[in-house]
Amino acid sequence: EDKVVQSPLSLVVHEGDTVTLNCSYEVTNFRSLLWYKQEKKAPTFLFMLTSSGIEKKSGRLSSILDKKELFSILNITATQTGDSAVYLCAGASNTGKLIFGQGTTLQVKP
Amino acid sequence: DGGITQSPKYLFRKEGQNVTLSCEQNLNHDAMYWYRQDPGQGLRLIYYSQIVNDFQKGDIAEGYSVSREKKESFPLTVTSAQKNPTAFYLCASSIDGQGAGGYTFGSGTRLTVV
Repeated sequence: EDKVVQSPLSLVVHEGDTVTLNCSYEVTNFRSLLWYKQEKKAPTFLFMLTSSGIEKKSGRLSSILDKKELFSILNITATQTGDSAVYLCAGASNTGKLIFGQGTTLQVKP
Repeated sequence: DGGITQSPKYLFRKEGQNVTLSCEQNLNHDAMYWYRQDPGQGLRLIYYSQIVNDFQKGDIAEGYSVSREKKESFPLTVTSAQKNPTAFYLCASSIDGQGAGGYTFGSGTRLTVV
C-alpha cells in the first residue's frame, strides 16, 4: 500500500530559527515528490522534485530528494511568523495519483 | 485568470441527505481529483478522473460518487451512505493524467452535517 509519512507532526520555533521537515515515501511507480504550504484553505505549491540529490531553492526554502532512501526534506532558514502553516508532502505516481502525508504543523513565534 | 472554482465554500447538510459539491476549472486540464481533509490529517484521495467520461476510485470512495461529463467540471456527491461526511473537501487538477505539470487546488468546501 502506498504511503507517505511526515515528521515531526508539529513544531514550534522562534523567529530566526532554522527548521527541517521530513518526508518518507513508499509510492508505486513513483514519479515525483511535491511539497505544499497550507495556511487556511487551498494548499499552495512549493516544490516538485523528480531527481535525486538536486537541491531546489526558493528564497529561504529549499528541498532535496533521496530516491535511494525514499526520503525528502524541506528546510526553512531564518523563519518568520508568516511561515506558520501546515506543510504537506505528497508522492506522485506516474498514473497521476497524489498520496499525501499527514502534514507538519509549524508555528513560528515572534 | 485561470484556476479552479469550488462552490459553495461552506455547506450544511442534514443527516440522510445527499449533497453535491461543485468543482470547475478553466485551465484546460485533463485530470481532476477530489480529496478529503480531516483535522490534523493530510489529504485523502476520494476519486480522480484522468479524462472525460472516465474516473477511478481513490482510497476512500465509499459513500461518494462523481461524474465527468465535461472536461472542466468534476462534481462530487456525498451520499447518505457516507458515515462521517463532515470534513474539508478539496478539488485539484493537473495538465495530464501523469501529473507531470504539477497540481492546482481549489479553495475548498467545508461540509458540516447537522
